[in-house]
Amino acid sequence: NAGVTQTPKFQVLKTGQSMTLQCAQDMNHNSMYWYRQDPGMGLRLIYYSASEGTTDKGEVPNGYNVSRLNKREFSLRLESAAPSQTSVYFCASNDRQGSRGYTFGSGTRLTVV
Amino acid sequence: GDSVTQMEGPVTLSEEAFLTINCTYTATGYPSLFWYVQYPGEGLQLLLKATKADDKGSNKGFEATYRKETTSFHLEKGSVQVSDSAVYFCALVNTGTASKLTFGTGTRLQVTL
Repeated sequence: NAGVTQTPKFQVLKTGQSMTLQCAQDMNHNSMYWYRQDPGMGLRLIYYSASEGTTDKGEVPNGYNVSRLNKREFSLRLESAAPSQTSVYFCASNDRQGSRGYTFGSGTRLTVV
Repeated sequence: GDSVTQMEGPVTLSEEAFLTINCTYTATGYPSLFWYVQYPGEGLQLLLKATKADDKGSNKGFEATYRKETTSFHLEKGSVQVSDSAVYFCALVNTGTASKLTFGTGTRLQVTL
């Protein structure tokens, strides 16, 4: 019972490089989310997908793109990484009801130098 | 918009001490409220939740009561252990928001022997 799986766990990028963070869930959840966690700021929503085939911007979408590949997978892409994108990224999923709480992945620690 | 305010950390307690972490929220309607816990190097785990006014969520000795009149959801534990050392996040999900979680900034708890 894997839950939410994120890859990679760690990544170092040079400014201007691109990369894709992968996320997959095996709970048949409709909704998936990408958050970033920065010291003193809690978690901030980057993008979300309420259901397969839809994506929407969250609080801090600039510099990111997402793809909901199918019901299981939701990827986050940085086209041209910047030092301000150094953060810990969490993927999460949820059933449509919302009130049952999210399941989070273990995170990707990204450093942009 | 919706927001969650938590007490500043870190909170340092001796083992077996009583714990309170304050959380207040601002939201329209009737949000569901959550406490998440993040152990070092890990993702967030749902600790407890409450979906309507006067509900009490509880888990692993932790409790929180949904107080609509004071818009609060304070986390309490009667006797903390060293293993409770973690970062605690208060969060809410409001109706009609595609189940997007809004987080507080987190409170770090350090329990010493």
